[in-house]
Amino acid sequence: ELKVEQNPLFLSMQEGKNYTIYCNYSTTSDRLYWYRQDPGKSLESLFVLLSNGAVKQEGRLMASLDTKARLSTLHITAAVHDLSATYFCAVDSFFNDMRFGAGTRLTVKP
Amino acid sequence: GAVVSQHPSRVICKSGTSVKIECRSLDFQATTMFWYRQFPKKSLMLMATSNEGSKATYEQGVEKDKFLINHASLTLSTLTVTSAHPEDSSFYICSATADGGTFDTQYFGPGTRLTVL
Repeated sequence: ELKVEQNPLFLSMQEGKNYTIYCNYSTTSDRLYWYRQDPGKSLESLFVLLSNGAVKQEGRLMASLDTKARLSTLHITAAVHDLSATYFCAVDSFFNDMRFGAGTRLTVKP
Repeated sequence: GAVVSQHPSRVICKSGTSVKIECRSLDFQATTMFWYRQFPKKSLMLMATSNEGSKATYEQGVEKDKFLINHASLTLSTLTVTSAHPEDSSFYICSATADGGTFDTQYFGPGTRLTVL
C-alpha cells in the first residue's frame, strides 16, 4: 500500500528564514505533487515532479525529488508572510492512486 | 486526527449507468467539501465546492447535470456521475474542512477509482 509521510506537520518560522518540508513515500512512484491550501480554500497546484533529480522552482519555493530515497523536499527561501498556508505532498503511480501526506501547516511570523 | 472516508473505493460500471460516490467526515462536521478529479498523469482538478445545505459551486467546464453533488448533512456529501461514459473513468477524491478552530485544513478521502466500460 502506498503511504505518504510528511514532516513537520506544523512549522512556525520568522520572515526571512529558510526551511525545508520533507515528504517520504513507501513505494515506487511515477509522480509527486506539491499543493498549497489556504484556509477554507481548495488546493492550488504548485509543482509536479516526474523523474529522479527533478528540481522545480517558483518564487521562494523549490521542490526536488529523489526517487531512490523516495523523498521529496519543498524548500522555502527567505520566507514571507504570504507563504503562510498548509502544504501537501501527494504521490501516485501506475499501480497506486493518489495518496496525500497529512500536510504541513506553515506560519510565517513578522 | 480527522478522518474522511469515501465509498466505494473502486467501482466498475457499464456505459449509460449512474454511479454514486459518498464522502463522509467520520469524526468532525464538514461545513465544506471539495470534489476533485485526477486525469491520467495529471494533477488534481477541482470539480466543485460543496457547502452543507446549499447548492454546490462548480468549476468552469464541469457539467452540473452530469456530476450531481449533494451535501445534505454536515458529515456527508455525494457525487453522482449520471449516464457515465468511458471518458468519465477517472480517480475521484474528496476533501473536507470544518468550520474554523483547528480544522481549517483539509482532510482527504482515500479516493474512488471509477472505470466505465
